[in-house]
Amino acid sequence: GQQVMQIPQYQHVQEGEDFTTYCNSSTTLSNIQWYKQRPGGHPVFLIQLVKSGEVKKQKRLTFQFGEAKKNSSLHITATQTTDVGTYFCAPGGTGGFKTIFGAGTRLFVKA
Amino acid sequence: DSGVTQTPKHLITATGQRVTLRCSPRSGDLSVYWYQQSLDQGLQFLIQYYNGEERAKGNILERFSAQQFPDLHSELNLSSLELGDSALYFCASILTVRPFSYNEQFFGPGTRLTVL
Repeated sequence: GQQVMQIPQYQHVQEGEDFTTYCNSSTTLSNIQWYKQRPGGHPVFLIQLVKSGEVKKQKRLTFQFGEAKKNSSLHITATQTTDVGTYFCAPGGTGGFKTIFGAGTRLFVKA
Repeated sequence: DSGVTQTPKHLITATGQRVTLRCSPRSGDLSVYWYQQSLDQGLQFLIQYYNGEERAKGNILERFSAQQFPDLHSELNLSSLELGDSALYFCASILTVRPFSYNEQFFGPGTRLTVL
């Protein structure tokens, strides 16, 4: 089945520093979604990437889908305390119904 | 507010007991997913229903079962509970006008189950 490796598992940053989390698959993905879960909250959809090499931006967040559609990244510029939480990638396989989430990267931001 | 409701919010019970968790999807959404999230862990996919039918199974124990009713709400039944079943249980719903994996999932607030 679909497996992804998400790194790092944890990241501590000082407010204002940048942050990047990576999601890597051994197989080609049809699409990939990113979710954010605030502490004590539920996962919330951020974005979906479908095309090879796609780059999407949401304010300080930049999402990339690799050319080979096997990896993706989420980059946050100048982190703020509101960015605290766990970021999950959720790859879409080819034709499968299942949703596999990456293990998540937990972001801690120190003010 | 995602529009997905889950009840109860918290549940405390003893080992060996049986509980039922309930999920109401967003209005119009036909598919429901169930996930288990243990403390500071990732989301483990349990099972998916679409319009009343089971569509996919993940790492769901035999002690667990689920169903989706004609009004599209879903219930997750957990029996012979063990300490290790303590976790957050989320349901998520999707509309499914596209292939499943292309739909964003809307998560409910979760049910926190504590087994003592």
